[in-house]
Amino acid sequence: DIVMTQTPLSSPVTLGQPASISCRSSQSLVYSDGNTYLSWLQQRPGQPPRLLLYKISNRMSGVPDRFSGSGAGTDFTLEISRVEAEDVGIYYCMQATQFPWTFGQGTKVEIK
Amino acid sequence: QVQLQESGPGLVKPSETLSLTCTVSGGSINTFYWSWIRQSPGKGLEWIAYIHSSGSTNYNPSLKSRVTISIDTSKNHFSLRLTSVTAADTAVYYCATGYSGTFGFWGQGILVTVSS
Repeated sequence: DIVMTQTPLSSPVTLGQPASISCRSSQSLVYSDGNTYLSWLQQRPGQPPRLLLYKISNRMSGVPDRFSGSGAGTDFTLEISRVEAEDVGIYYCMQATQFPWTFGQGTKVEIK
Repeated sequence: QVQLQESGPGLVKPSETLSLTCTVSGGSINTFYWSWIRQSPGKGLEWIAYIHSSGSTNYNPSLKSRVTISIDTSKNHFSLRLTSVTAADTAVYYCATGYSGTFGFWGQGILVTVSS
């Protein structure tokens, strides 16, 4: 299985300041079709996960542009340019390049 | 907008079978691959299996021997069966779907507790 490792596990952030989450995979996530099936999901308290970004950097409809994704191969980053109160929650990376699809352990974003 | 809703018992006895159904609305079940995912405090998010309306399936090897996923296109729902459950199977179970290995649509989740 591909292991997804996120850092940090907890990220206290001041409102209006940036936040960055790293996700590293144990194998390259480049699929044979040339795509990299790396997604980022947000889970607010008491809610199911919500897809924010797919294929590294593509934002889902309705996702604010303060969320951005980057990376390649085995190293990926989710950045929030200016954290807002509604961004509190747990963020997960997920790979769908190789079965079984796997998730990172999650990074908790909270306000200082 | 595709909507999903999980249903089934919230309490299952050890060694028995967990059975859940996900009802799809707002879209055709003949589109997408339909997955079950679970979330437990000890193991985080775990993808269990998917199924397509064609009957094509894929299972997580860690659960494959105990899991069956099925689909009923006439009823617009798909189902999960997990046999021989233990306390380790206690989790919130989600059904989810989306394009190309993504999960853009999720149900609200159903908490299933394994306990006698």
